[in-house]
Amino acid sequence: NAGVTQTPKFQVLKTGQSMTLQCAQDMNHNSMYWYRQDPGMGLRLIYYSASEGTTDKGEVPNGYNVSRLNKREFSLRLESAAPSQTSVYFCASSDPRRNGYTFGSGTRLTVV
Amino acid sequence: AQSVAQPEDQVNVAEGNPLTVKCTYSVSGNPYLFWYVQYPNRGLQFLLKYITGDNLVKGSYGFEAEFNKSQTSFHLKKPSALVSDSALYFCAVRDGAGNNRKLIWGLGTSLGVNP
Repeated sequence: NAGVTQTPKFQVLKTGQSMTLQCAQDMNHNSMYWYRQDPGMGLRLIYYSASEGTTDKGEVPNGYNVSRLNKREFSLRLESAAPSQTSVYFCASSDPRRNGYTFGSGTRLTVV
Repeated sequence: AQSVAQPEDQVNVAEGNPLTVKCTYSVSGNPYLFWYVQYPNRGLQFLLKYITGDNLVKGSYGFEAEFNKSQTSFHLKKPSALVSDSALYFCAVRDGAGNNRKLIWGLGTSLGVNP
């Protein structure tokens, strides 16, 4: 089925470890996004990529980096994980003709 | 600045009763408005959108939303709630006049439908 695929679905890290969250979409969308979701805080945009080759900071970029590897893939990297980065992370993509977003199923990250 | 407000953290209704989940917005141009639903441990799913045209928009699972320009509102409604409608609902907006396609999200409203 067409959509947005995120890996891994679950991850536990120790403080200071690094990891990369992977995201891929097969809908030929130009724009891709990384959000984190925390209780009572809704969705907060970490980084986004309006098109292949461009990335921009969102509301909460500190402690994260991103790479738009090609049109399909947009990865999120935590260089040195902190307990404050414990969250559920969602990747999304959008098609300008349809205006809405398609979301992945999320990555539940725990930093201990 | 663009913003979205969902004034209720939690809405509870009895099965079979009508439900309303409220959303108000602020944008400088014409609004593009969206509703998404999130079931437990899942990603967000698109329900419906308003871009232009009829103020009453119909979407998935029997949901509809009414765009009210004078009240800057886009409330989500369903005539008869089901227990399976229990989920987290998000309203989102973007300014249709600009090139910025980022959506601005409300904080979400948790809907509980009691049997």
